[in-house]
Amino acid sequence: QVQLQESGPGLVKPSQTLSLTCTVSGDSIRSGGYCWSWIRQHPGKGLEWVGYIDYSGSAYYNPSLKSLLTISGDTSQNQFSLKLVSVTAADTAVYYCARIVGATYGPFDFWGQGTMVTVSS
Amino acid sequence: SYILTQAPSVSVAPGKTARITCGGLNIGTKSVHWYQQKSGQAPVMFIYYDTDRPSGIPERFSASNSGNTATLTISRVEAGDEADYYCQVWDDSNVIFGGGTKLTVL
Repeated sequence: QVQLQESGPGLVKPSQTLSLTCTVSGDSIRSGGYCWSWIRQHPGKGLEWVGYIDYSGSAYYNPSLKSLLTISGDTSQNQFSLKLVSVTAADTAVYYCARIVGATYGPFDFWGQGTMVTVSS
Repeated sequence: SYILTQAPSVSVAPGKTARITCGGLNIGTKSVHWYQQKSGQAPVMFIYYDTDRPSGIPERFSASNSGNTATLTISRVEAGDEADYYCQVWDDSNVIFGGGTKLTVL
């Protein structure tokens, strides 16, 4: 059974960098056929795709966040991470990590439980 | 960018049939995935590649996709089906989610 677990600070100050890590168990982030993604959900709102990395480590980003975002993988720890710079209150959300079946067109089949991040001074 | 449109809410009495739609330009040419999210929980994959159900999802849940509309149908609705339902597609290398539909069981 694949499991994903998000970790990181629950509170970030405005203009600082948000860093989150997703630890994967039950699968390797370098296994072919899967990608690894971040999705966020603003309070009381719908799901917003943030970005993903594929098995080779290539990253793909939501165009609205691309200039502020870096997603990378650490194969030694079987983790992938998100870094969002210059955060504002609009980045306050629950952040989920999830596995994508296939390189593109596939569903998100396993999700982490989510971690709430608040941007506030 | 590609847009998916879902009604914000749908209400249905127990035992009846609920239909949750997801509208998008020529969505019938794309693969649609559906997720259920209960209050305070992470989303769960419910339907994938238009019509496939993961193991453990009851047959009461079915879906279709044609033209400009994908539809999730829930037969014999139960109180436990109350949740938010999201549709999702890919547009090139971008992931698109619908705005979600809150299913209320009366």
